[in-house]
Amino acid sequence: QVQLVQSGAEVKKPGASVKLSCEASGYCFACYEIHWVRQAPGQGLEWLGLINVGNGNIKFSQKFQGRVTLSGDRSANTAYMQLNSLTSDDTAVYFCSRDGWNYDVLTGVNGFDVWGQGTLVTVSS
Amino acid sequence: ELVLTQSPGTLSLSPGERATLSCRASESLSSSFLAWYQQKPGQAPTLLIYGASSRATGIPNRFSGSGSGTDFTLSISRLEPEDFAVYYCQQYGASFHFTFGPGTRVELK
Repeated sequence: QVQLVQSGAEVKKPGASVKLSCEASGYCFACYEIHWVRQAPGQGLEWLGLINVGNGNIKFSQKFQGRVTLSGDRSANTAYMQLNSLTSDDTAVYFCSRDGWNYDVLTGVNGFDVWGQGTLVTVSS
Repeated sequence: ELVLTQSPGTLSLSPGERATLSCRASESLSSSFLAWYQQKPGQAPTLLIYGASSRATGIPNRFSGSGSGTDFTLSISRLEPEDFAVYYCQQYGASFHFTFGPGTRVELK
């Protein structure tokens, strides 16, 4: 079945970096973009960026430009998100999600149709 | 930058009642680029509606979306117990922006 499985919870100190993974299964990994979205405790959803491992396209929210690195390993069907210079404001659940548009056959849905279970990142001294 | 505003912040209703949720964009948005999600506590969001009015796979037909330009609506015709959750609208992809609205909580009255 189509699913995204994310890596486990992380605890980091301020100033450190964190690298999260998102393993896809059940579909053509390179055919769909992967987005990263975060949710601080009790807050709403915030989009960080996207990666298309098929064509190499990467886009970021302006807020995270320069602090986020997105990458992908097609052989492992896995996407990665690294966030640098962590502060307590980065404490959140980080989700990866699949963009519903299939870039291989140019059809699909305009929305994030599959989500990972989320990874809690806690930044604390 | 386009901003999405959702109202009301909280909607208190009983099972069987109709829910009407609003999402307003700060500038005109193609209906192709408006999506709605449901999120329950401790879970990832679920795509409900894309293209303003198309239901995602497996979504019951009591959920419907409508609207165009700057005003969009998510309606739930008759609330089921599992529908009490937070609902987010999203600008999908216009100029590579994927921002979410602040959410509407539908709570049990």
